[in-house]
Amino acid sequence: NAGVTQTPKFRVLKTGQSMTLLCAQDMNHEYMYWYRQDPGMGLRLIHYSVGEGTTAKGEVPDGYNVSRLKKQNFLLGLESAAPSQTSVYFCASLGQYNSPLHFGNGTRLTVT
Amino acid sequence: AQSVSQHNHHVILSEAASLELGCNYSYGGTVNLFWYVQYPGQHLQLLLKYFSGDPLVKGIKGFEAEFIKSKFSFNLRKPSVQWSDTAEYFCAVNAAGGFQKLVFGTGTRLLVSP
Repeated sequence: NAGVTQTPKFRVLKTGQSMTLLCAQDMNHEYMYWYRQDPGMGLRLIHYSVGEGTTAKGEVPDGYNVSRLKKQNFLLGLESAAPSQTSVYFCASLGQYNSPLHFGNGTRLTVT
Repeated sequence: AQSVSQHNHHVILSEAASLELGCNYSYGGTVNLFWYVQYPGQHLQLLLKYFSGDPLVKGIKGFEAEFIKSKFSFNLRKPSVQWSDTAEYFCAVNAAGGFQKLVFGTGTRLLVSP
């Protein structure tokens, strides 16, 4: 049981480049989330999804877009990367109500 | 909207010392509370959770936390820490009965010296 899988694990981008981070879960979870983790700021919610075909903004959505075309996948896109988006990105999924989040292993993104 | 405060940003302890990490939240309704741990280079893992019932919750690896509703607190404790407890600890809260939008505190980095 793979759980939550994120690809890639590492990426370096130049300012203005675009990329997509992929999150895949094999637990048939309805809810999926993208967080970013920065030193001294904890985890901040970027976007989330309550089910296939739905997305919504979290605390820090600017500069990111997401899509949930299939229930098992949640994509995070950066259309024009900026150095402020240098961070570690975590995907998470949630199945039943009142159960804990399942996290992926993270993607470390550096924008130069 | 709910928020979480962790007042200890860095804690340094010797092995066998007792640990208490503070967590306070702000939200007027019923909440679910969590402590997550992140070991160096790894993703977050659930230590323990409180949904309802006994306010003293026991988690993995000898950790426990006490929910004190009147103080809006959910402090994490361990009687005797080990070097392997070196990690970053995050308190998190979401509103019970609503959408599962989990809000995290800023984290406490614990260093246990052997």
